[in-house]
Parts: sequence; structure tokens; C-alpha cells
Amino acid sequence: GAVVSQHPSWVICKSGTSVKIECRSLDFQATTMFWYRQFPKQSLMLMATSNEGSKATYEQGVEKDKFLINHASLTLSTLTVTSAHPEDSSFYICSARDPGGPYEQFFGPGTRLTVL
Amino acid sequence: GDSVTQMEGPVTLSEEAFLTINCTYTATGYPSLFWYVQYPGEGLQLLLKATKADDKGSNKGFEATYRKETTSFHLEKGSVQVSDSAVYFCALSRGGADGLTFGKGTHLIIQP
Repeated sequence: GAVVSQHPSWVICKSGTSVKIECRSLDFQATTMFWYRQFPKQSLMLMATSNEGSKATYEQGVEKDKFLINHASLTLSTLTVTSAHPEDSSFYICSARDPGGPYEQFFGPGTRLTVL
Repeated sequence: GDSVTQMEGPVTLSEEAFLTINCTYTATGYPSLFWYVQYPGEGLQLLLKATKADDKGSNKGFEATYRKETTSFHLEKGSVQVSDSAVYFCALSRGGADGLTFGKGTHLIIQP
């Protein structure tokens, strides 16, 4: 099946620094990728939709300047958490849509971000 | 807006027991419905899906039927195994370009 990777799997940073998370589709080209955030014991919340070659579409309430998304190629999308603060600590998960199927999304293993 | 409600766990069952995890949704129109499973230390995997009313999705012994009249998509399995222990998420989507709206997840624990 299709594989999506994320890097790093976990990261610890100091408050005020920026952190970049990569999401890669390893064996297929993904024109659309999605970024989710998961709080402990809570659901995954869609943050934004990333389309290759165009600006990301953010969900209501998600700060565009805080969470920068770049979909530079058909296999790579990046999420940069700028000027991170402890409240940004969370589990970030990306998914990529298989263009061969209209609905299925393949998920990465997630990145645990801890801001001190 | 759209929302998904599913029973919260943990749900603890003995091996070979019958499983039902309830899921109901709120959405306008005709969303597609999904069950995803997350095994310990792994990413979410699609378990099954249904794209229109009365469709039945099935995989690995699990089944769920898209019931528009009750806005439900309950997950069932006739005989669970220890290897089914995982977190199960119910989700909906309006279309291929849209992200998924997830329920909170149900932690299932199967005891030998």
C-alpha cells in the first residue's frame, strides 16, 4: 500500500524557536496533502489542506502565520510552527490523498512536538 | 458544521466476543464515511469505507453500514481477536479534496 512518512517523529524545542515537520509520500505523487493536530485523548482536527504549487487552505481558527505550510513538490509538504510556544505542543499528523482513489487518505505516523 | 460522535472507551472485551462501536454523524448532504484504525506506534490505516446510503463497508471481518435515516455508521465484528486491540476512529468527508472530520476515537482492548 501507499506509504507516507513524517520527519522528525518527535522534537523538543525552546519557546520562541521555529520547527519544521516534513511529510513525504514515498511511492505515489500526492497533489493534495492534509495536516491534522491531535490533542491527548482527543480527536484529530484538520488544520489545513496543502495543494502542490498553490497556497494552503486553512481551517477556521488556525493561524496562517503561526503554521506555515509549503507543498513544494508532488511528494513533499512541510509544516513550520513559527515562534513556538508551550500551547503548540501536540501531535501533528499529515496525510496524502491518493489521486488514484477519490477518497482514501494515507496517513503518516505523526510527529510529537514538545515546546519547553 | 460537520461532526462525528463515537462511543469513548476504553472498551474491554474478551477474545471471540462480539464487537459494536457506535458512530453517528451530523452533516449536510451526503458525506462519505470511514473507519480508521491506529495500532500502537503506527499511523492511521483505513479499515473500511462507504460512500453512499445503504452501502456496507467490510474488511478483516469488520463491517459497517451507512444508515442515512439514523445518520449512523456503527462498526461491528463477530469475533474479536487480541490483535484487534487498537484505537478506532470514525470519520466523514465531503469529497476527495476535503479533509476528514474525525470522532474522538475508541480505544479497544481485547483480553485473551
